[in-house]
Amino acid sequence: EAGVTQSPTHLIKTRGQQATLRCSPISGHTSVYWYQQALGLGLQFLLWYDEGEERNRGNFPPRFSGRQFPNYSSELNVNALELEDSALYLCASSLPRATDNEQFFGPGTRLTVL
Amino acid sequence: AQKVTQAQTEISVVEKEDVTLDCVYETRDTTYYLFWYKQPPSGELVFLIRRNSFDEQNEISGRYSWNFQKSTSSFNFTITASQVVDSAVYFCALSEATYPAGTASKLTFGTGTRLQVTL
Repeated sequence: EAGVTQSPTHLIKTRGQQATLRCSPISGHTSVYWYQQALGLGLQFLLWYDEGEERNRGNFPPRFSGRQFPNYSSELNVNALELEDSALYLCASSLPRATDNEQFFGPGTRLTVL
Repeated sequence: AQKVTQAQTEISVVEKEDVTLDCVYETRDTTYYLFWYKQPPSGELVFLIRRNSFDEQNEISGRYSWNFQKSTSSFNFTITASQVVDSAVYFCALSEATYPAGTASKLTFGTGTRLQVTL
């Protein structure tokens, strides 16, 4: 069974540009989570989508947004990129209404903002 | 608000030594879940263990063992006879059961402990 996949693996952008990151969950998983791992800041929760709706949002500015498609894949968009947006962005998925919230993580997209 | 503290930023041990990674958490919920993840240099988070708040039984899996103590809000992780392949960053995480009732949501991570095992 395929795990969580993310694309691209690496992304290089310049300040002010927009970045789009993509995530495909494990088959049968309807919840998708996005986390940011910036140097020195640990893993920070960004967004949670379930059944196509945004369920929760971390403490990030509105220029971080996303969506979940009918096939449960998800997209994270970062507008007006800033240097501090450089980080590893991890996507995770979980089963519907998982009572134990076991999240399976993808390999991440490393975003570099120059 | 929930919080996870991993006070040890970095630990270095020599192969075959035992090492314990500390994790202290804060939550107001009575139902919650605790996790440990391993992050090797490749970056992908590898799930190690999950514990719910009602199960304080310690667990052993091979060289790995976990000590969950609600009285001290701690969920410590011990690696026995460490090996070079254990070198990684280890994250402790907490999830509260919120939406819908009885299910869980986002993970709150500690800042991680970098374990370096040398020969």
